[in-house]
Amino acid sequence: GQQLNQSPQSMFIQEGEDVSMNCTSSSIFNTWLWYKQDPGEGPVLLIALYKAGELTSNGRLTAQFGITRKDSFLNISASIPSDVGIYFCAGHPIYNQGGKLIFGQGTELSVKP
Amino acid sequence: DAGITQSPRHKVTETGTPVTLRCHQTENHRYMYWYRQDPGHGLRLIHYSYGVKDTDKGEVSDGYSVSRSKTEDFLLTLESATSSQTSVYFCAISESGYGYTFGSGTRLTVV
Repeated sequence: GQQLNQSPQSMFIQEGEDVSMNCTSSSIFNTWLWYKQDPGEGPVLLIALYKAGELTSNGRLTAQFGITRKDSFLNISASIPSDVGIYFCAGHPIYNQGGKLIFGQGTELSVKP
Repeated sequence: DAGITQSPRHKVTETGTPVTLRCHQTENHRYMYWYRQDPGHGLRLIHYSYGVKDTDKGEVSDGYSVSRSKTEDFLLTLESATSSQTSVYFCAISESGYGYTFGSGTRLTVV
């Protein structure tokens, strides 16, 4: 089935560093979403993007909907220990049926104090 | 919290036994989904529902069935559990089909 390629798969960074992760697809998407999953919990929505080129911030998080509509990135500035978790990109492909979201494989973020 | 509850939170079962997981919502959302999460695969859709008694298959539906007899409940059944179905199962709800809210998950181990 349709796959989103998310990279990197994992990151080990020092507290205070900036983080960047991205997601690409061979298909056009009309929505991009970024989720964060804490250990033992379900994913929680961080940012939703609805238009090509859209740049949206949520505190220290910034995400962009790529101009080609086939990619998106998420940046985290000045990381802190509570940023630890798994980050998922997700999107609705243009051929979307029934509102089904397609998810990337996730980026596992570790932050060293 | 978000009005979505999964039960049980943890379950260990034997190969070949039937298992039913429950998702209950208090948000009156139309759409409900079952995903499984496995290392290296992210979240993969098993089945989804777009209304009472309206369900459809996702990308990994083999070995699973679902039922939705009421707006608030979406049941996932493993007819005869296998070790490959050991996973963490997440239910999600959505009002419009965009932007899901997830439950806290059910960790299922098939031995």
